[in-house]
Amino acid sequence: GAVVSQHPSRVICKSGTSVKIECRSLDFQATTMFWYRQFPKQSLMLMATSNEGSKATYEQGVEKDKFLINHASLTLSTLTVASAHPEDSSFYICSAHYRLAKNIQYFGAGTRLSVL
Amino acid sequence: DAKTTQPPSMDCAEGRAANLPCNHSTISGNEYVYWYRQIHSQGPQYIIHGLKNNETNEMASLIITEDRKSSTLILPHATLRDTAVYYCIVRVVAEGGKLIFGQGTELSVKP
Repeated sequence: GAVVSQHPSRVICKSGTSVKIECRSLDFQATTMFWYRQFPKQSLMLMATSNEGSKATYEQGVEKDKFLINHASLTLSTLTVASAHPEDSSFYICSAHYRLAKNIQYFGAGTRLSVL
Repeated sequence: DAKTTQPPSMDCAEGRAANLPCNHSTISGNEYVYWYRQIHSQGPQYIIHGLKNNETNEMASLIITEDRKSSTLILPHATLRDTAVYYCIVRVVAEGGKLIFGQGTELSVKP
């Protein structure tokens, strides 16, 4: 399958710090990427749809000023958690839509964010 | 998007076939059935998908009932590495087609 790289895999930061997570499609172009978060023992929750060259579409209840998404190229989307607090600690996962491969979404390995 | 219902957990003996059921009684005509799995603390892995015909690939087989209201994922010879949470998702195949994850089935493959 296609490869989606997510970086960093783990980040520990102090409360009030902003954290940027990168999601790259390594061997294909993705005009659409998705961001999820997952709390322990729970399923993945879709946060937003990232569209190349335009504003992201956020799911209901997700603060767009808190979770800033930029999709500046066909292979890179970034999620910035602004002024992170302990309640933002979670597992963040991205996926990329591969149109030429039967529209399958491929996922990154995830980023474990711990805010102290 | 249509909802899916899966049993919360299942056990399977190593080397035997694992049959994971999924109900999607409100599926629409343009929605596909997708299966992903998530091994602990990793990103989900694509397994297989289909519209109405049965599908097979190197990982699994997907059997969809004629009325499309349910499906079964079959892992023909389960190994310990197949222990994971398996998600059945119905999705419109389009550029912005979202994957909405339910609770999935936690499959434990035992020696």
